[in-house]
Amino acid sequence: QVQLVQSGAEVKKPGSSVKVSCKASGGTFSSYTISWVRQAPGQGLEWMGRIIPILGIANYAQKFQGRVTITADKSTSTAYMELSSLRSEDTAVYYCASGTAAAGTNYWGQGTLVTVSS
Amino acid sequence: DIQMTQSPSSLSASVGDRVTITCRASQSISSYLNWYQQKPGKAPKLLIYAASSLQSGVPSRFSGSGSGTDFTLTISSLQPEDFATYYCQQSYSWNTFGQGTKLEIK
Repeated sequence: QVQLVQSGAEVKKPGSSVKVSCKASGGTFSSYTISWVRQAPGQGLEWMGRIIPILGIANYAQKFQGRVTITADKSTSTAYMELSSLRSEDTAVYYCASGTAAAGTNYWGQGTLVTVSS
Repeated sequence: DIQMTQSPSSLSASVGDRVTITCRASQSISSYLNWYQQKPGKAPKLLIYAASSLQSGVPSRFSGSGSGTDFTLTISSLQPEDFATYYCQQSYSWNTFGQGTKLEIK
């Protein structure tokens, strides 16, 4: 049983960056795909990108290209999502999640609220 | 990116009703279509994967069908705990979610 535990809530100024962590336990971290999904207040789910730790390769949704960086540290079984040039529209709950293309995204972190405010 | 369009965006129904939610992909995604349920303040929960496979532990009143570009989620007899928001997701090329369907009590 995979468990994903995320870092705590953040308050950031416009123009700054935020880095959210996601620590995995259970299973084999390197073989997961870890995705990042965000949800603005009252809005739907938005896929941001993913990483396959065993390959160290990340892919990003076109909307976030150039502004998001997803990394993974195999030694600590932790994935990270860094979003730069923050603006108020980036205020959202950010989830890490794990799954496969064939079997869906079955494991989710608890979510991290990022608030962007001056 | 592949676009996913869900309909309706909201739906009012009663306990015991049969409801269907549809999801259309902007291009063929074979059977790489998943359905999620989300309740307020909670992470999404996987219900159906690969268009029609029921995730372990999910009640059998939930079912999915379709392939290519058109998919449906059906709840055969609504229970009180089913009132939530439902999302489709394609996993054929990276991921994209539909905009969601809010299922409310009539």
